[in-house]
Amino acid sequence: GAGVSQTPSNKVTEKGKYVELRCDPISGHTALYWYRQSLGQGPEFLIYFQGTGAADDSGLPNDRFFAVRPEGSVSTLKIQRTERGDSAVYLCASSSLTSGTEAFFGQGTRLTVV
Amino acid sequence: TQLLEQSPQFLSIQEGENLTVYCNSSSVFSSLQWYRQEPGEGPVLLVTVVTGGEVKKLKRLTFQFGDARKDSSLHITAAQPGDTGLYLCAGPWMNRDDKIIFGKGTRLHILP
Repeated sequence: GAGVSQTPSNKVTEKGKYVELRCDPISGHTALYWYRQSLGQGPEFLIYFQGTGAADDSGLPNDRFFAVRPEGSVSTLKIQRTERGDSAVYLCASSSLTSGTEAFFGQGTRLTVV
Repeated sequence: TQLLEQSPQFLSIQEGENLTVYCNSSSVFSSLQWYRQEPGEGPVLLVTVVTGGEVKKLKRLTFQFGDARKDSSLHITAAQPGDTGLYLCAGPWMNRDDKIIFGKGTRLHILP
């Protein structure tokens, strides 16, 4: 695609429910990142994929958070037993060797846990 | 932990004024990036600075990388309402290009 696409753009869920957030990166980009951005804050690193494997998942806050990228393209961020503190904008970005360190971001998914 | 501290956190000025925002760290970065983020959008890269002392210009925006590569500044000349947004600095964590960390940003509002 022309840019990074994230779906849904907004998600409201009840506390304790399971949610999946999808990221479709720029075609051909091998690196994919997930960030979380709370109101008034900068993006906080969660996890980074190089191809299909998670190269660095040290930013995932706890074991309720999990992400996959089974075919090295689309990625899904999965959150189990959601808590109100999980409410934030979840940003996905992708990059390639030819783009250097520039990361191209999607518009984000605004998650609200009520 | 490498942290990027941005100041000021908020800035509201009149159209036509000049301003400078800062990004500081106690650690050396191999490069720093500046992004601009508008409401409801993801951050968009403005510039990457790599060499200590480097100055890059993007129309009315001037970016400088400190000589010691621990800090950077963004200067805007004759600010316009279209410059309103969240300005983020970012850099590779522990100089790993594959993990970019961000400062908290400076929220800039230009009054017409």
